[in-house]
Amino acid sequence: NAGVMQNPRHLVRRRGQEARLRCSPMKGHSHVYWYRQLPEEGLKFMVYLQKENIIDESGMPKERFSAEFPKEGPSILRIQQVVRGDSAAYFCASSLPQGAHYGYTFGSGTRLTVV
Amino acid sequence: AQKVTQAQTEISVVEKEDVTLDCVYETRDTTYYLFWYKQPPSGELVFLIRRNSFDEQNEISGRYSWNFQKSTSSFNFTITASQVVDSAVYFCALSFEASGTYKYIFGTGTRLKVLA
Repeated sequence: NAGVMQNPRHLVRRRGQEARLRCSPMKGHSHVYWYRQLPEEGLKFMVYLQKENIIDESGMPKERFSAEFPKEGPSILRIQQVVRGDSAAYFCASSLPQGAHYGYTFGSGTRLTVV
Repeated sequence: AQKVTQAQTEISVVEKEDVTLDCVYETRDTTYYLFWYKQPPSGELVFLIRRNSFDEQNEISGRYSWNFQKSTSSFNFTITASQVVDSAVYFCALSFEASGTYKYIFGTGTRLKVLA
């Protein structure tokens, strides 16, 4: 499967635990984007990363959320001390260096449930 | 401000009916891109179409067609002879350049239910 790979597909965490969501971009894509979809809502931009560099994190909550895209390995979205309001679907997308305006390729998402 | 409005929250049609999903956008940019994505019950997001702001030609792909009208800032999506497999949430999105990167704004989606 040469698409964007996200894991896990489903993640259950208790309040106060940490959640780690992984995203491997499509082969040849060096740009990664994270979006959050709250129940019955559209997707909201969170962060845009290139390898070892955060380009735009204007959509990230100021606390508890962080993202990285290391030189080797997948991009990680980390949520510390999760709360019930963090329950959502988190989608990762990747694009070519030429830009996202050619269209994203989305992963299948990680559905986080905080109990 | 950039904005995408999908006023139809949910639409139900009977199989074989035609259905149009509306999308209205707001932007001050002259260069921008419009997209439609499909989210079936399984949850993944499927890219359907991309259109740039300089190309107002309508497009047809099988039973799908798109009507882009800059005069009304609309990018509507029509499914002809709908099928049960078309049941999904459909998102319209606007992409524009901001601070050297391209950002996406998604509408809130229209849930389409096609009944057998």
